[in-house]
Amino acid sequence: EVQLVESGGGLVQPGRSLKLSCLASGFTFSNYGMNWIRQAPGKGLEWVASISSSSSYIYYADTVKGRFTISRDNAKNTLYLQMTSLRSEDTALYYCARRRATVANYFDYWGQGVMVTVSS
Amino acid sequence: DIQMTQSPASLSASLEEIVTITCQASQDIGNWLAWYQQKPGKSPQLLIYGATSLADGVPSRFSGSRSGTQYSLKISRLQVEDIGIYYCQQASSALMYTFGAGTKLELK
Repeated sequence: EVQLVESGGGLVQPGRSLKLSCLASGFTFSNYGMNWIRQAPGKGLEWVASISSSSSYIYYADTVKGRFTISRDNAKNTLYLQMTSLRSEDTALYYCARRRATVANYFDYWGQGVMVTVSS
Repeated sequence: DIQMTQSPASLSASLEEIVTITCQASQDIGNWLAWYQQKPGKSPQLLIYGATSLADGVPSRFSGSRSGTQYSLKISRLQVEDIGIYYCQQASSALMYTFGAGTKLELK
């Protein structure tokens, strides 16, 4: 069974940093691209970042470019999101999601999400 | 950036009714379109990918179609478990994977 379990969220002050993790199991992690997607309270979905299976290709949404860094450790089956210079508008539930094994980036498995609250 | 305009924003329908949700892309995205369902308090689930292909385990009452840059999700016979919010997502541009604003589906 595919499982994605996020951790590392919490309350953080504006301007500070936080690192999220997503532990994957039930599939060969190193064969799949991965993504971070967020959802502000009561709002819709916003794609944040994606990384290819070997970390060769990395993309970011304009809203986080230069502040967030996506990375992965295939030996540990773990995806990361390093978030710096956090703003109130980064407050959201952050999901990690697997890229379906196709040409296009569709998200076929999602974690349960981890909450990040940016507030003083 | 590619914009995805989803309609309606909310929809109330009866059990067994046919429900259709649409998504308009601001430019040609081919068949690079997916639909997701998010039930209350849950993570989103992939329903349709490639505009018309049913994801694993998704009931056959769900179907997707395309007409030019307009995409539709159809539920042929609405069931109680179909209640939730539906999102479209374009996968054409690697620079930005855009979601529609969502359609909240409720029971009448």
